[in-house]
Amino acid sequence: DVKVTQSSRYLVKRTGEKVFLECVQDMDHENMFWYRQDPGLGLRLIYFSYDVKMKEKGDIPEGYSVSREKKERFSLILESASTNQTSMYLCASSLTGTVRNQPQHFGDGTRLSIL
Amino acid sequence: GDSVTQMEGPVTLSEEAFLTINCTYTATGYPSLFWYVQYPGEGLQLLLKATKADDKGSNKGFEATYRKETTSFHLEKGSVQVSDSAVYFCALSKAGGYQKVTFGTGTKLQVIP
Repeated sequence: DVKVTQSSRYLVKRTGEKVFLECVQDMDHENMFWYRQDPGLGLRLIYFSYDVKMKEKGDIPEGYSVSREKKERFSLILESASTNQTSMYLCASSLTGTVRNQPQHFGDGTRLSIL
Repeated sequence: GDSVTQMEGPVTLSEEAFLTINCTYTATGYPSLFWYVQYPGEGLQLLLKATKADDKGSNKGFEATYRKETTSFHLEKGSVQVSDSAVYFCALSKAGGYQKVTFGTGTKLQVIP
C-alpha cells in the first residue's frame, strides 16, 4: 500500500513565524500535491510538483512556497505565518497521468493553528 | 474551468437506511470520476472510481454510475452502517501528466444507531 506520511498531526505556531510542513511518500510517485481543507470550501490546491525541483502554483499559492529536492519529499513553507492560514493541510501523491485514472493518495493531514 | 457540485450536508440517516449523495460535474473532454471518503481525523481515501460513460464503480457496498448525459456521478448504498459516518468527496480528473484533481466541497454523513 502507498504510504504518505506528514510529519506532524497537530502544530501550533505564532504569527510571523516561518513554518515548514513536511510530506514523504514511499511509492516513487512523480506527482505530489499540497491542499488546505476548510469547512464549506472543500479542498483547495496550494501547489503541486510533477518532478524533482519542479513546482506549479495551484489555486491559492499566495503566502506559501514549496520545495522538492528529492522525489519522495515535498515540503510546504509558510514564509510568514498569519492567522488566516490556520487550517487542515493535506499532502497527496500520485503516479504520472500519462496513464489515465491515477488516484491521489493522501496523508492524514496536519492541523495547523496560527496564534 | 472544471467544477464539481455536491449536495450540501450534513446528511443524517438511521442505520440500514438507503443513501444517496448527489454529485454533478462540469468539464470539457472525458474526465475520470472519483468518490473519496474522509473518516474523522484522517486523510482522504479513494472509495471508488469510474473512467468512462456508463461505467459503474463499486466498493464496500457503495456504488456510483458515470452518467455523461446528465453529467452526474451519484453515490449510493443500500444499507448504511454507523461506521460509514464520514465526509464524502466527489472529484474529477483528466488525463495528463499532472493528474490534477478537482474536488467537490464534501458531504458529511452521520449514521445514527
